[in-house]
Parts: sequence; C-alpha cells; structure tokens
Amino acid sequence: EPEVTQTPSHQVTQMGQEVILRCVPISNHLYFYWYRQILGQKVEFLVSFYNNEISEKSEIFDDQFSVERPDGSNFTLKIRSTKLEDSAMYFCASGLRTQETQYFGPGTRLLVL
Amino acid sequence: RKEVEQDPGPFNVPEGATVAFNCTYSNSASQSFFWYRQDCRKEPKLLMSVYSSGNEDGRFTAQLNRASQYISLLIRDSKLSDSATYLCVVSYMNRDDKIIFGKGTRLHILP
Repeated sequence: EPEVTQTPSHQVTQMGQEVILRCVPISNHLYFYWYRQILGQKVEFLVSFYNNEISEKSEIFDDQFSVERPDGSNFTLKIRSTKLEDSAMYFCASGLRTQETQYFGPGTRLLVL
Repeated sequence: RKEVEQDPGPFNVPEGATVAFNCTYSNSASQSFFWYRQDCRKEPKLLMSVYSSGNEDGRFTAQLNRASQYISLLIRDSKLSDSATYLCVVSYMNRDDKIIFGKGTRLHILP
C-alpha cells in the first residue's frame, strides 16, 4: 500500500538555524499539506499546496516558513530561522482531491534548543 | 466558541462495551467531516469520513447533524486495540484555516 514518507524522523537544531523537512507524498496525489502538533496539543494546519503553488495557509505559516516541490516527488517545508516555539511534530499529508481523505506521513519531530 | 470542540476525556470503557462521542463545530459553512484516530506519538490515520446520511464501517458508525452542528462516532463491541485519541476534523472552503482538527478525545479500553 502506498504511503507518505518523511525524513528525518527526528531533528535537533539550535535556535536561529534553518531546517528543511522533507516529505515524499503518495505518487498520484495532487494535494499536499503540512501540519504541526506541539506536544500535548492539537494538530494545526499550516499550509496546503496544489498545482505548484500554495492554495491555503494559516496564520502560523508566516514569512519564516516556505514550501517547495522541487522535483515532482519531494515536498519540503523550510523554516528559515527556528524559534524555541517551533519545537513540534511536523506532519506532511497528501490527498487525491481537495476536501477528501488525507494520508499522513509518520512525522518529523523537531526540537529547537 | 471554539471552531471544533471535543470532550478531551479520557473515556475509560470496559472491553466489549459501546462508547460514543460527539464533536461540535461552529461554522455552518463546513463542508467535509472526518474522524481520524491517533495513537500516542504517531500520525493521524483516517478512521472514516462522515456523510449526511450517516455511515457505518464494521463496529464504527458516524453521524452528521447539520442542524445542530455536530458529528458523532459510535464504537460497538470495543476492543483493546481501539484505545487511541479520536480526532474530529472539519474542513471549509475559502478560509485561511481550511482544515480544522479538534483536540481529540482519548479513549482507554480496559481489559
């Protein structure tokens, strides 16, 4: 069964450093998403991406965040200058159609020191 | 009022029992509804979509009540493996926060 994969599984970084989180969505999916979940809190929508551009973003997704689909398979989330409060689990998800089922990757646990 | 609200639980239920939980949503323009389950420190996984007519998948039944703006999940003959957090998910069109997760309801099935 096809699945969404994410790398790395864990990332530790110093405050102010840039991080890139990588995702490989399911191959025939057209909609891509990033979410985060701070420990003990709810899953929060960050951004959705379709047709090589951002289709929706939340207020969390500020200028420090960016997404790219550089090569037609990878989907990346970049945080330019990490803050302590960026520490969270980051989930990538993909879906075939909007408003329908999303399939989540296993997540990257980011710790900012 | 929170956009998607769930009783956080935990619900402690003996194995074999039936358990139900609700989720309320505030935006009447909501269009799609889902139940996901999330195991500790794992990713959310789709349990079922929720349709206006209600739908059933084995031991699980989901209902949508648009008039009262809630969805429900019923689990019959609960099993130990049902222990998880159940996330209510609501999506809208044309909003910044397009997909809203509830905080989840924790369910513990007791042997």
